[in-house]
Amino acid sequence: AQTVTQSQPEMSVQEAETVTLSCTYDTSESDYYLFWYKQPPSRQMILVIRQEAYKQQNATENRFSVNFQKAAKSFSLKISDSQLGDAAMYFCAYRSAYSGNQFYFGTGTSLTVIP
Amino acid sequence: KAGVTQTPRYLIKTRGQQVTLSCSPISGHRSVSWYQQTPGQGLQFLFEYFSETQRNKGNFPGRFSGRQFSNSRSEMNVSTLELGDSALYLCASSLGGARTYEQYFGPGTRLTVT
Repeated sequence: AQTVTQSQPEMSVQEAETVTLSCTYDTSESDYYLFWYKQPPSRQMILVIRQEAYKQQNATENRFSVNFQKAAKSFSLKISDSQLGDAAMYFCAYRSAYSGNQFYFGTGTSLTVIP
Repeated sequence: KAGVTQTPRYLIKTRGQQVTLSCSPISGHRSVSWYQQTPGQGLQFLFEYFSETQRNKGNFPGRFSGRQFSNSRSEMNVSTLELGDSALYLCASSLGGARTYEQYFGPGTRLTVT
């Protein structure tokens, strides 16, 4: 089975600064999708950004961007101009292109934004 | 468009009892997946239903089961509850096609087993 590893249980960032959350994964598949989800305290999990493995270009969504290194099996999330509302648990997730909607999640990184 | 809804939001049960959780996906979504979230194990995939058929199954004991109805609403059932079943159970829906990979999560049902 695929595994997703987030080695940073907790991170903090000053408001308006930039922070990078790390994620590595292990797979033997060539076609897959990677995601970052955000789960604010006591609130719903929402999709932040996704990356298709067949695309070499890194995905970007406003202040959120990823650094996708397929050979290294690395998928980090960069948050620029951090805002108080970015404080949440961030989960990295993997989905095979071959097996429906079975997502594998990392253990999460708790992000604190310091005013 | 309404989001994914889950009922009930909170539930307290006693060991040995059974429980049924419900999930209503976004209109038009045919795939519903269930996850168990605990502080120790994180998010673990339970199963996925697509067009009333179980398409994927995680590594959980047979006490965990589910089904999907013709309107795509899904239920999951846990029988003979154990203390370790205390968790947040999340449901996620998607269109379900091969390249429709975005999942939208519900708010979850918080199950406490005493």
